[in-house]
Amino acid sequence: SQTIHQWPATLVQPVGSPLSLECTVEGTSNPNLYWYRQAAGRGLQLLFYSVGIGQISSEVPQNLSASRPQDRQFILSSKKLLLSDSGFYLCAWSVGTSYEQYFGPGTRLTVT
Amino acid sequence: DAKTTQPNSMESNEEEPVHLPCNHSTISGTDYIHWYRQLPSQGPEYVIHGLTSNVNNRMASLAIAEDRKSSTLILHRATLRDAAVYYCILLPINSGGSNYKLTFGKGTLLTVNP
Repeated sequence: SQTIHQWPATLVQPVGSPLSLECTVEGTSNPNLYWYRQAAGRGLQLLFYSVGIGQISSEVPQNLSASRPQDRQFILSSKKLLLSDSGFYLCAWSVGTSYEQYFGPGTRLTVT
Repeated sequence: DAKTTQPNSMESNEEEPVHLPCNHSTISGTDYIHWYRQLPSQGPEYVIHGLTSNVNNRMASLAIAEDRKSSTLILHRATLRDAAVYYCILLPINSGGSNYKLTFGKGTLLTVNP
């Protein structure tokens, strides 16, 4: 069966520090991968999606970036965090043309 | 993009049916109606989706109006575990793969009373 992992589960970082969040999927090949963010009191916002290794599409301009170094690995990064980067970060995957999207457990990031 | 309108919150009692409405008056003929839910402190999970006909699965039923301008997610017997935010989302028919980009609104917060 397929599983999706995210780490860390929680993270507290100072403003201006770098960020690296990792997401891995098991049990499937060539998944479509997504990063979403949910700020406090707001809905989920799609940040990036990827249809293959090295292929990244950005939905929202910001100081975040994403990379996909391996088929089932998706990384969200920032060189310098802002207070507004605080939120609940979710990774998700889907396969082929399937309409179902599966979400990971999330990382709760607090920038202080 | 076609938008959806949902009530901000609803309450139900345990083991009673729950009908969660969604209005989508500007839906196009190629839009699927999807429902996801998000339990507290968790990522969203897929519930059900449909195009024109009513749909049933192990989690819920989806009733779609004949003119497709509204739909209702039906939980047949609510449990405490069903307390979550429920999102109604429209996706164009060719949204599989790279075009499968979910746009979440505020959804409906369902409270289930014991």
